[in-house]
Amino acid sequence: GENVEQHPSTLSVQEGDSAVIKCTYSDSASNYFPWYKQELGKRPQLIIDIRSNVGEKKDQRIAVTLNKTAKHFSLHITETQPEDSAVYFCAASIDSSYKLIFGSGTRLLVRP
Amino acid sequence: DGGITQSPKYLFRKEGQNVTLSCEQNLNHDAMYWYRQDPGQGLRLIYYSQIVNDFQKGDIAEGYSVSREKKESFPLTVTSAQKNPTAFYLCASGASGGAAGELFFGEGSRLTVL
Repeated sequence: GENVEQHPSTLSVQEGDSAVIKCTYSDSASNYFPWYKQELGKRPQLIIDIRSNVGEKKDQRIAVTLNKTAKHFSLHITETQPEDSAVYFCAASIDSSYKLIFGSGTRLLVRP
Repeated sequence: DGGITQSPKYLFRKEGQNVTLSCEQNLNHDAMYWYRQDPGQGLRLIYYSQIVNDFQKGDIAEGYSVSREKKESFPLTVTSAQKNPTAFYLCASGASGGAAGELFFGEGSRLTVL
């Protein structure tokens, strides 16, 4: 079955710097890759997703890149702000199966 | 008010007892999911259901059971066979029409075994 590995487990950056979180997946049939943000004490919420027919997607300060050949995808946050501090999860899924497997999470701390 | 509702929010159980966590959604989603969240281990899939009267095991299904008799409801039973049941449990719904999509999570249920 699908296995998703996520690195780093913790990341501390200065406000205004960029943050990058990387994930690898094992099942080459996976074609949907979402990223979720979970603030302390709250439920996870989708922040961006990408499908396998594109290599990059941007939404304001957030971008995701996908390398299908290498089976890895990354989340890029530019101009980080203290409110970006949270746990971020990557995930992978095969469209038709609906089965969504998550990575182990990255705790991002943005220092003011 | 649309969304996904889990209950109870907190639950205490004695060893050897089964307990059922409720999950209801009014978003008309086909798929529903149960995840377990432990510190440092992310969200691990227990069971998921693509459609009414059908469900599949996730990566950590042992000691758990589910049912999907209605589209809106996907209750999870934590049985006495689950070796380490103390955890935070998240229910989610999402996906329709044959394509994976955004999951909407409930607020979670925290189970403590005494």
